[in-house]
Amino acid sequence: GQNIDQPTEMTATEGAIVQINCTYQTSGFNGLFWYQQHAGEAPTFLSYNVLDGLEEKGRFSSFLSRSKGYSYLLLKELQMKDSASYLCAVRDEVNRDDKIIFGKGTRLHILP
Amino acid sequence: GAVVSQHPSRVICKSGTSVKIECRSLDFQATTMFWYRQFPKQSLMLMATSNEGSKATYEQGVEKDKFLINHASLTLSTLTVTSAHPEDSSFYICSVFRAGAPHEQYFGPGTRLTVT
Repeated sequence: GQNIDQPTEMTATEGAIVQINCTYQTSGFNGLFWYQQHAGEAPTFLSYNVLDGLEEKGRFSSFLSRSKGYSYLLLKELQMKDSASYLCAVRDEVNRDDKIIFGKGTRLHILP
Repeated sequence: GAVVSQHPSRVICKSGTSVKIECRSLDFQATTMFWYRQFPKQSLMLMATSNEGSKATYEQGVEKDKFLINHASLTLSTLTVTSAHPEDSSFYICSVFRAGAPHEQYFGPGTRLTVT
């Protein structure tokens, strides 16, 4: 089966750092995505990890450990506009078909 | 600019009627498009994979006779919600992957369907 877990909600302060964790169990694995979604809008791509390690892109970094089925998204120097839902998604390869399976998302609230 | 477009962005229809939602890949040809549904405060649920020139692949629990998918060209996929009911009210989003770039998934802006 497929299972992707991430916290439902988190709160952080403007200017601070926050780490959003994601654990997954899938029958196949072909990469992990992080997306940002503001209310009422479609998700936008943040990062993609397929190999173990840390990928850094500006204020956002994403880490993957395939052996542990674990990833995190690190957001630095938080800004009010970072208030959004953050979706962890896994590319699950099943019978040569790729599917992107999403976690339930983490709603991040930024306090001034 | 936008890579994927959807039309309409919002639609309100009466129970029992059918609604067609279009998804267009603007920048590149897409042999595969994905359709997702998102209920309020929930995550995206994959409904089906739309394959150009062949039948769509539906996820478990998604009625293929209710959600008709047509991928007639390399840039257009349509989702038709037939005999819509209030419980079909949701945010429908399509996505495409750029060929040769397995990590580049682009989402359409979504279609908000309200069935009264």
